[in-house]
Amino acid sequence: AQSVAQPEDQVNVAEGNPLTVKCTYSVSGNPYLFWYVQYPNRGLQFLLKYITGDNLVKGSYGFEAEFNKSQTSFHLKKPSALVSDSALYFCAVRDPFYSSASKIIFGSGTRLSIRP
Amino acid sequence: GAGVSQSPSNKVTEKGKDVELRCDPISGHTALYWYRQSLGQGLEFLIYFQGNSAPDKSGLPSDRFSAERTGGSVSTLTIQRTQQEDSAVYLCASSPGEVARNEQFFGPGTRLTVL
Repeated sequence: AQSVAQPEDQVNVAEGNPLTVKCTYSVSGNPYLFWYVQYPNRGLQFLLKYITGDNLVKGSYGFEAEFNKSQTSFHLKKPSALVSDSALYFCAVRDPFYSSASKIIFGSGTRLSIRP
Repeated sequence: GAGVSQSPSNKVTEKGKDVELRCDPISGHTALYWYRQSLGQGLEFLIYFQGNSAPDKSGLPSDRFSAERTGGSVSTLTIQRTQQEDSAVYLCASSPGEVARNEQFFGPGTRLTVL
């Protein structure tokens, strides 16, 4: 069965420091992996995805994520955090062997707080 | 262009009443999803529509929940005889077809409060 885990409920980082939001997954085949961000009182907004190819994926707002197959991880990173990055972040995984759209699993979310 | 829109943005209802939540997907998107997000929780899949195919209802929590999509565009999620545990934010998302690699575009959600 496929699953995704975000082991940290909250991550606190000082502005200007690098940030990492962790995500690990479990699927039977090669995964499709996604990161979404949710600002207060807003819907989720797509950040980036890994489908195939280069393990380092770059996305919106200066975020990037690295697909690590051996560690089954897809951690979200940014070299220098901004206060405006404070939001709720969701990792999602999809196993392309499943045709049903219900087979996209979202993590429980990590709240990122950037202090000035 | 216009994104996914949902209405109402907030709905307060009394226990036992029926509610209807509306979703307008991005024009041309054939796939439409409904999710439920409880306070501080992740996303719970409810139902999925793709074109003219039969919807995937596997996530609906009870028979009080139903949804329809008319003309392959607008969708309505109906909750009958609402219960307090139905209180949550209901999110709608659309994507350009059922391709596993496509990301989803989310609406702002409807916050439902059942008193």
